[in-house]
Amino acid sequence: GQQVMQIPQYQHVQEGEDFTTYCNSSTTLSNIQWYKQRPGGHPVFLIQLVKSGEVKKQKRLTFQFGEAKKNSSLHITATQTTDVGTYFCAGPGAGGYQKVTFGIGTKLQVIP
Amino acid sequence: NAGVTQTPKFQVLKTGQSMTLQCAQDMNHEYMSWYRQDPGMGLRLIHYSVGAGITDQGEVPNGYNVSRSTTEDFPLRLLSAAPSQTSVYFCASSYGGQGKETFFGQGTRLTVV
Repeated sequence: GQQVMQIPQYQHVQEGEDFTTYCNSSTTLSNIQWYKQRPGGHPVFLIQLVKSGEVKKQKRLTFQFGEAKKNSSLHITATQTTDVGTYFCAGPGAGGYQKVTFGIGTKLQVIP
Repeated sequence: NAGVTQTPKFQVLKTGQSMTLQCAQDMNHEYMSWYRQDPGMGLRLIHYSVGAGITDQGEVPNGYNVSRSTTEDFPLRLLSAAPSQTSVYFCASSYGGQGKETFFGQGTRLTVV
C-alpha cells in the first residue's frame, strides 16, 4: 500500500481563494518531495523538503515539513487558473529510498 | 538534452497481445522506474532499476517485465496484455540516492480491449 497518504483527493476553489493539500506518513520520512501534474501532462518536480520543520516558499506556494517529519503540506495563496492540476507528495517507500512512493494526489480545480 | 523519452504516446492492444514500452534518458541517471497511473490510485511503482543490470519489483509488478542492459534504456514489457493493464504509464529517472528529483517522461496511454 501507499507509504504516504494525501488529502483531500479533490478540491474546487474559486479563483483567488487559498488551497491546501496535506500529506501524512505513519513513519518518519527522510525527505518529501512535491510534484505538479497539469491535465494531460506528466508530473513535474516542485520542491524537496529535508529538515524537520522546514518551510519553503515559491511565489504563492508554501511548503512545510512537520517537526516529526511525518507530515507535509502545500499551501497556495490566492489561487489562479494556472494552478489547476494534480499535486502529489512523494517520499521514500518501504524498502528503501529507491522505491519512491507517491501519494494519491490532490486534484485542484479553480473556478474563474 | 531530451530528458526522458517514452514511446509510443498512445497504444491500443488486444487482450493477449504483447508489447514493449520504450524509455530512454540522456541525463546519465542511475535510477529509472516505471509507474502506472489510474484514476483515484495515484502513481504506483511497477518496476525500478538502480543501475545497468539491476532491476527490482515495485508495488504492482505482475504482468510486466523489465531489463536494464544500458544506463540509458529501461523498456517495459507487457507479456500478455489484459484489460486491467489499461492505464497511463510513466517512465521516470533520477540521479539516485535519497531525495533526488525525479524526471518523468511524457507518458504512454495504453488501452487494452
